[in-house]
Amino acid sequence: DARVTQTPRDKVTEMGQEVTMRCQPILGHNTVFWYRQTMMQGLELLAYFRNRAPLDDSGMPKDRFSAEMPDATLATLKIQPSEPRDSAVYFCASGLVRGEGTDTQYFGPGTRLTVL
Amino acid sequence: QKEVEQNSGPLSVPEGAIASLNCTYSDRGSQSFFWYRQYSGKSPELIMSIYSNGDKEDGRFTAQLNKASQYVSLLIRDSQPSDSATYLCAVNRGNYQLIWGAGTKLIIKP
Repeated sequence: DARVTQTPRDKVTEMGQEVTMRCQPILGHNTVFWYRQTMMQGLELLAYFRNRAPLDDSGMPKDRFSAEMPDATLATLKIQPSEPRDSAVYFCASGLVRGEGTDTQYFGPGTRLTVL
Repeated sequence: QKEVEQNSGPLSVPEGAIASLNCTYSDRGSQSFFWYRQYSGKSPELIMSIYSNGDKEDGRFTAQLNKASQYVSLLIRDSQPSDSATYLCAVNRGNYQLIWGAGTKLIIKP
């Protein structure tokens, strides 16, 4: 049963610390998305990659957030320095885009981040 | 106006009845539409996708799409307590990015 995996599942840190979240997309998927979910804002797209190339990171605060895909099996989202307003659940999703009608996204379990 | 709008609820439905969830979207060029279910503390999981006008059925779930009126709905027949969750509507605006509604909280009363 292929699944998106994310680590860590929970992270508590202090303001100013660096946070790195990792995602392993479903094997063979060519598109990876990073989302943030809060009660107030709902699901927000932060960044996404196609074939490891960043396509859009306009949803990400550029001064403190960065997203990379060092290889096809790993996507990372880094926050440096972290702030209390970054507290949220961060989801990674992956999909296999092959043309029209192939845009389903499959979500990982999420990383719950708390910044004190 | 938000790009994808849903009634936040909660929508309370008796067990065994039909639950009807609605979603409207603003971009007439949208081509793909999705319903995801999210249990509290869990990640969204795909329920249905629909690409053409009309109805699409999968078990107890039916998705309905009307592009002319720019709405998509999800019907859940024979509602069960396990269907209690938040239902998220998502729309692909053409570049494989999904625009998400805020979700409708559904409560099935035994």
